[in-house]
Amino acid sequence: GESVGLHLPTLSVQEGDNSIINCAYSNSASDYFIWYKQESGKGPQFIIDIRSNMDKRQGQRVTVLLNKTVKHLSLQIAATQPGDSAVYFCAENRDNAGNMLTFGGGTRLMVKP
Amino acid sequence: KAGVTQTPRYLIKTRGQQVTLSCSPISGHRSVSWYQQTPGQGLQFLFEYFSETQRNKGNFPGRFSGRQFSNSRSEMNVSTLELGDSALYLCASSNGAVGELFFGEGSRLTVL
Repeated sequence: GESVGLHLPTLSVQEGDNSIINCAYSNSASDYFIWYKQESGKGPQFIIDIRSNMDKRQGQRVTVLLNKTVKHLSLQIAATQPGDSAVYFCAENRDNAGNMLTFGGGTRLMVKP
Repeated sequence: KAGVTQTPRYLIKTRGQQVTLSCSPISGHRSVSWYQQTPGQGLQFLFEYFSETQRNKGNFPGRFSGRQFSNSRSEMNVSTLELGDSALYLCASSNGAVGELFFGEGSRLTVL
């Protein structure tokens, strides 16, 4: 399940620092946004989601922020660990669209020990 | 609880051939979605099945088809393979919660 993007944006952070991964979405009708993590050789793994009636949602060490005005989504990872190294994708969906997700291009997060 | 299982994991085909990929969802999940992942196009939605019915379809040619069986297992078929069909094909299942998909490890198809 590797996500090999020759031109994937890369974010390199020091272990213990906070990471912020950004995503711009295109469809103003999207109601629902999700972040996925894909490690090398694996399929994407659900991290956290947020609905369009919210602007912030927190999970364990992760926070998602949604700015509908500029159609921007961000994922914040606190105290980044080596195990967080992966490719991160944002995805958008619309109500009544089942699981027809539109994925962003992905960002590669590299954590330096 | 077993995760999403995809078979085969790797396969090589030649142009013009056809291929069938299989996906067994997590037990109890009735929704199965298929995505194509390539370096150039990223993750793209192919189709979704729910209770044996295609619920959504992405923007792929008719050479790409799928089906779901009564036990929720799903197959996708690609006919008349082209070089550009080389990709990682990912299956994901859901218990109904939209967006919270559980992905398999994928079937990597190489078309020569």
